Amino acid sequence: EVQLVESGGGLGQPGGSLRLSCAASGFNFNLYWMTWVRQAPGKGLEWVATIKEDGSEEYYVDSVKGRFTISRDNAKNSLSLQMTNLRDEDTAMYFCARNQLFFASWGQGTPVAVSS
Amino acid sequence: EIVMTQSPATLSVSPGERVTLSCRASQSVSDNLAWYQQKPGQAPRLLIYAASAGATGVPARFSGSGFGTEFTLTINSLQSEDFAIYYCQQYDNWPPITFGQGTRLEIK
Repeated sequence: EVQLVESGGGLGQPGGSLRLSCAASGFNFNLYWMTWVRQAPGKGLEWVATIKEDGSEEYYVDSVKGRFTISRDNAKNSLSLQMTNLRDEDTAMYFCARNQLFFASWGQGTPVAVSS
Repeated sequence: EIVMTQSPATLSVSPGERVTLSCRASQSVSDNLAWYQQKPGQAPRLLIYAASAGATGVPARFSGSGFGTEFTLTINSLQSEDFAIYYCQQYDNWPPITFGQGTRLEIK
């Protein structure tokens, strides 16, 4: 069974940093692109970033370019999202998802709140 | 960026009815379109991909159609567990992947 478990969310200050993690199990992690999707409170879904199987390609939504970095450790079946220079508008539930086009497997999400 | 527009924003229907949700793309996405269902406090659930292919384990009452810029998700004989928010998503021209703003299906 595919399992994705996010962690690392919490309260971050404007201009601060947080690092999210996603632990994957139940599938060959190194064969799949992986993606982060977020959802602000009461709002819709927003694609954030995607990384290729081997980590050689990364893609970001414009609003996080230069501030967020997606990475992966295939030896540890782990996906990460390093978030820096946090803004109020980064407040959201952050989901990791398997694949890069459409997403059949999702984690339950980890909440990020940016506030001073 | 391809903008996805869903209509209506909210739909009030009774259990047992048939409902059709619409999604329009600002430019052609071929059949590279997915539909998701999301319930409060839960992650989204993939229902349909490639515009009309049912995802694993999705009941047959859910069906998708369309090509290019106009798409529909049809739910036959609504069950109580179907009341949720539905999102369409294009993956034809990315980055960025883009979602519609959602249609909330509520009980009349």
